[in-house]
Amino acid sequence: DQQVKQNSPSLSVQEGRISILNCDYTNSMFDYFLWYKKYPAEGPTFLISISSIKDKNEDGRFTVFLNKSAKHLSLHIVPSQPGDSAVYFCAASVGGSEKLVFGKGTKLTVNP
Amino acid sequence: KAGVTQTPRYLIKTRGQQVTLSCSPISGHRSVSWYQQTPGQGLQFLFEYFSETQRNKGNFPGRFSGRQFSNSRSEMNVSTLELGDSALYLCASSPDRGNYEQYFGPGTRLTVT
Repeated sequence: DQQVKQNSPSLSVQEGRISILNCDYTNSMFDYFLWYKKYPAEGPTFLISISSIKDKNEDGRFTVFLNKSAKHLSLHIVPSQPGDSAVYFCAASVGGSEKLVFGKGTKLTVNP
Repeated sequence: KAGVTQTPRYLIKTRGQQVTLSCSPISGHRSVSWYQQTPGQGLQFLFEYFSETQRNKGNFPGRFSGRQFSNSRSEMNVSTLELGDSALYLCASSPDRGNYEQYFGPGTRLTVT
């Protein structure tokens, strides 16, 4: 049973436009959410996180939105740059646990 | 500050053998977690160590084990290797336990033939 789902395996956007990556979860006990990006042959790199007590967190071009009632979060990248092309993973944990549950990732391609 | 380092980066083993992978966390980080990444299952949590004690464990058989040393360095061991153990094994460290982001190493690519 997949508790964290990223339903879009891939997404293609034009440079300068907004990229929106989506993530759904089923476990209502999740209270901490993270986004990672991964380039080939490298480990995942932390991007941004959000606690369940918030509904939005921003860091530069990256904003994460959390909708607890819908069990949905999204990552917005504005403006998108070609260097953002990577696989993006959504992850969640319960009660500050180090056990992260990951989605299967969305491959973002930003075209110049 | 140096990042998380993992050795070796690539490894080829035969079914039935055992393997030990090593992880050095970021200096000052005390929590080390291990993950397995495969095309079919994605990233799956193996276990987490803090203060030389296993604190969390994922749904993997007992053939997968680990340990952490007093300097926070960690090793994981897989005994009686199976073809399905072929994967990228990732180590991640964080400063402490709780809601801290985890920083990942580049991984060890294990191929079992």
